[in-house]
Amino acid sequence: GDSVTQMEGPVTLSEEAFLTINCTYTATGYPSLFWYVQYPGEGLQLLLKATKADDKGSNKGFEATYRKETTSFHLEKGSVQVSDSAVYFCALSVGSEKLVFGKGTKLTVNP
Amino acid sequence: NAGVTQTPKFQVLKTGQSMTLQCAQDMNHEYMSWYRQDPGMGLRLIHYSVGAGITDQGEVPNGYNVSRSTTEDFPLRLLSAAPSQTSVYFCASRGYGYTFGSGTRLTVV
Repeated sequence: GDSVTQMEGPVTLSEEAFLTINCTYTATGYPSLFWYVQYPGEGLQLLLKATKADDKGSNKGFEATYRKETTSFHLEKGSVQVSDSAVYFCALSVGSEKLVFGKGTKLTVNP
Repeated sequence: NAGVTQTPKFQVLKTGQSMTLQCAQDMNHEYMSWYRQDPGMGLRLIHYSVGAGITDQGEVPNGYNVSRSTTEDFPLRLLSAAPSQTSVYFCASRGYGYTFGSGTRLTVV
């Protein structure tokens, strides 16, 4: 079945450090790929998405590129801030309406 | 525009009790779904609905019941709560993208 594997963490960085959270997927069709963010005590918010190969999603300084050849959608940010501390989820959706999530990666950014 | 509203935010149940988690959306979305979030497990799909009168099972449906009598509401019922159902529950609806509620934290003792 469809699945998502992501770096489990936790990840701890200093402010202004470079962030990468790895995400790879297995899908029977051609998925749309997503990154969601969950701030403490809140629900999930869509951070960015890509719907076809080589698309780059970007938002709030975060970027991820849909790589079909490596079945990956790694999340990157050049300079993290304390306010980026959250749990990040990689997810996919193939044709149907269902979202399949990775297990989440907790990011803590220290000042 | 309220989006997706979940109630209650917190609930403690005793084993064997029943309860209904409420979910309502005001965006006229046809698709709605319920997820549970457990540490180290990510979010797992419990049940979903593609429109009023139509529901289907997700990955972890056992112990949960749903119905969809209106487009706006998609309640999740626990018929006989078990400690294994202690979790955070999220409702989501889908239009152009997914919108999640703020969650219900349920503890079963």
